[in-house]
Amino acid sequence: SQQGEEDPQALSIQEGENATMNCSYKTSINNLQWYRQNSGRGLVHLILIRSNEREKHSGRLRVTLDTSKKSSSLLITASRAADTASYFCATRDTGFQKLVFGTGTRLLVSP
Amino acid sequence: DGGITQSPKYLFRKEGQNVTLSCEQNLNHDAMYWYRQDPGQGLRLIYYSQIVNDFQKGDIAEGYSVSREKKESFPLTVTSAQKNPTAFYLCASSAVADRTQPQHFGDGTRLSIL
Repeated sequence: SQQGEEDPQALSIQEGENATMNCSYKTSINNLQWYRQNSGRGLVHLILIRSNEREKHSGRLRVTLDTSKKSSSLLITASRAADTASYFCATRDTGFQKLVFGTGTRLLVSP
Repeated sequence: DGGITQSPKYLFRKEGQNVTLSCEQNLNHDAMYWYRQDPGQGLRLIYYSQIVNDFQKGDIAEGYSVSREKKESFPLTVTSAQKNPTAFYLCASSAVADRTQPQHFGDGTRLSIL
């Protein structure tokens, strides 16, 4: 399988704390994307970072990318109970249209 | 509103039966995808299509079939050859021309064995 790995598998924090999740992948990429999935629902796109970018921000989200280590991290600052969900990274390689998804991090934010 | 509609939300299959999951999009996207998600796991690609009347196998195509007769529709058939079909199935679409465009997902169909 070409799936990436995400770390940790599960994360439990209190509201107001920051949440950091990491993603490692295996091939050369064109871009890396992060998605969110609420329980029993489809995935929603959060943010995309291109292979020539090192950091990107969107609201309370900060994504970093280290292509030399084939890894990315997603930071959610000042977390809220509504951030409770699973978060997946997905890589798009240089040759194809399809995405390769990681195994996901389950985030629980307690009030 | 533009989006992807999957139906039914829940589906039950008897032994030896083929079942078809529907996926319709009104986003005018050329590419469509089917994924399988097992509990606590990531998504695995079953089939994808980049243009009408053409589709390619993904990583776990055995026991599944698809068609792409219309741009808006990409139905997935789970055949009796798929021995472990219980899973959450997600359909997605994207614009083909720009690799930086995200995939848009439906809300899934949960398939169970009777």
